[in-house]
Amino acid sequence: DAKTTQPNSMESNEEEPVHLPCNHSTISGTDYIHWYRQLPSQGPEYVIHGLTSNVNNRMASLAIAEDRKSSTLILHRATLRDAAVYYCIPRKETSGSRLTFGEGTQLTVNP
Amino acid sequence: EAQVTQNPRYLITVTGKKLTVTCSQNMNHEYMSWYRQDPGLGLRQIYYSMNVEVTDKGDVPEGYKVSRKEKRNFPLILESPSPNQTSLYFCASSLSVGQGGQPQHFGDGTRLSIL
Repeated sequence: DAKTTQPNSMESNEEEPVHLPCNHSTISGTDYIHWYRQLPSQGPEYVIHGLTSNVNNRMASLAIAEDRKSSTLILHRATLRDAAVYYCIPRKETSGSRLTFGEGTQLTVNP
Repeated sequence: EAQVTQNPRYLITVTGKKLTVTCSQNMNHEYMSWYRQDPGLGLRQIYYSMNVEVTDKGDVPEGYKVSRKEKRNFPLILESPSPNQTSLYFCASSLSVGQGGQPQHFGDGTRLSIL
């Protein structure tokens, strides 16, 4: 599995955009890039995923670098409910669906 | 509502007393799996199932059993629980296996304490 590097923690203010970076320099050409988050006392929650081009959904946007060695999860307007640990997970196309969670980034949202 | 349901949510028990944690999903998903989450170790996969009657070991299967007799259910069995199995457990499911783009849906977790 490709290794990832994420900041241990980040802070944001409510209603401001948040950019959560992830470095995955050892990613292979067929690995998808998944993002999950885990709110306190809950199970992980799928956020978004992509392969090569940028992706948007109702929760967030995912910007993938052209060389695919890094990606950024963008929360357009942070809310208090977005305070969570965010995990960036490269995942092979034929991975058998196992998710390998790293340490993630603890996002704090200030009111 | 699409969901993965685990029961119980909390359990305190004693060493050696067999227990089962149930997991059920209502999304007709083929793939189901169990993870445990421990401080400093993150989430680690215990067992997974690619479909009915098909199960396989994950990264930390010792001391656990699973079964998949029906598509919707994937119980985790601890035949003789020990204190090192005290952990937070999550069940997850996804539509199918072998496609890296499939998101996984997680339950809310079961906190087990083995005394």
